Amino acid sequence: DTAVSQTPKYLVTQMGNDKSIKCEQNLGHDTMYWYKQDSKKFLKIMFSYNNKELIINETVPNRFSPKSPDKAHLNLHINSLELGDSAVYFCASSFGKGANTDTQYFGPGTRLTVL
Amino acid sequence: KQEVTQIPAALSVPEGENLVLNCSFTDSAIYNLQWFRQDPGKGLTSLLLIQSSQREQTSGRLNASLDKSSGRSTLYIAASQPGDSATYLCAVPAYSGAGSYQLTFGKGTKLSVIP
Repeated sequence: DTAVSQTPKYLVTQMGNDKSIKCEQNLGHDTMYWYKQDSKKFLKIMFSYNNKELIINETVPNRFSPKSPDKAHLNLHINSLELGDSAVYFCASSFGKGANTDTQYFGPGTRLTVL
Repeated sequence: KQEVTQIPAALSVPEGENLVLNCSFTDSAIYNLQWFRQDPGKGLTSLLLIQSSQREQTSGRLNASLDKSSGRSTLYIAASQPGDSATYLCAVPAYSGAGSYQLTFGKGTKLSVIP
């Protein structure tokens, strides 16, 4: 009965490859997010989708492309992977758009290592 | 632009001690403030959410306070236990347009409770 799940948990790949990370939530939430946590443990928003529509798109390289086939899924595809993409990527979801009483629920993270 | 700072970056205490974690934010016009816990290799778990109209929230041995005017929040942990060892992050939502909000996180305080 996992609330927010991500696959894979670990991903090791070569520079230049294309990879995808999948996220699913079974909480019935309308909004999903992707965060990146770098080596210094700083957690930063990348994207947010509400009902399958992009509502936040922070300054990330266009090699990163989120895709939301339905409101329970938000996948992250990364093209031409670079060393600097190595990080832990967290998916999260919330009922609304993140306002006053809106708690975000996080997945376990995907540790991406680019060699 | 909202900035969130947490001090100290790391804290080690003997079991049974009461302790305080600090969080400060630069823009006092916040809607709420959340405290999260992150265990190694796992995602974030929401501990407490304080709305801007509240001054404190309690959950078990945890008590979070909020002073908007001074841009500060504290997380008080009573009678600490080894199981409390984790990284504690605070976050505030900032309006990002189109009715949506994004969380801005501090870098966290890594707590170690020594048996």
